[in-house]
Amino acid sequence: QSVLTQPPSASGTPGQRVTMSCSGSSSNIGSNNVYWFQQFPGTAPKLLLYRNNQRPSGVPDRFSGSKSGTSASLAISGLRSEDEADYYCAAWDDSLSGWVFGGGAKLTVL
Amino acid sequence: QVQLVQSGAEVKKPGASVKVSCKASGYTFTSYFMHWVRQAPGQGLEWMGLIDPTGGSTSYAQKFQGRVTMTRDTSTSTVYMELNSLRSDDTAVYYCGRTAGQLEIDYWGQGTLVTVSS
Repeated sequence: QSVLTQPPSASGTPGQRVTMSCSGSSSNIGSNNVYWFQQFPGTAPKLLLYRNNQRPSGVPDRFSGSKSGTSASLAISGLRSEDEADYYCAAWDDSLSGWVFGGGAKLTVL
Repeated sequence: QVQLVQSGAEVKKPGASVKVSCKASGYTFTSYFMHWVRQAPGQGLEWMGLIDPTGGSTSYAQKFQGRVTMTRDTSTSTVYMELNSLRSDDTAVYYCGRTAGQLEIDYWGQGTLVTVSS
């Protein structure tokens, strides 16, 4: 059971905009920054967004993030087949004094 | 170029210990903290802890406290993660990841599969 809750799957067609949610509590998302990672099968995760909505160099601006209260969202616009991957949210948890992840969401591009 | 090269796959029996290494190159080793994150087969990511290569200070996830030890060797630019009292549910791929700050992991090792089986 993950501390952060993500719906396990999401889907969309090429060109669409899809959003994935990440729900937490006042001890994590409610008071700390949210991070998003993208992972392809058999490979290490890749940092997609940091500090809620900041993109590392090289990440397309099709990827965006937002946070409101104890929830966060990742949005992907102009969906492409190569976006099909697993997506994880993460945040620091003040109660646990550690980083916690969501269970991950598998994005399928139909 | 920055590289994190981890040690090879391990097979261990329940109750044993495993020590995974992560050798860094291409940057100043002591300038970046290192996270350890694991992923059980078909499961999500799980943070294990963090080490500061400069002084060796560590921060461990509560779940692993007492069972994990992270160390470093500055002479070889290598960090280590040792997990004791292995159980079958410790079977996972273990990753090291360099952080530029907080959870801004910009480079990852290739992962090390640890299998715990009798």
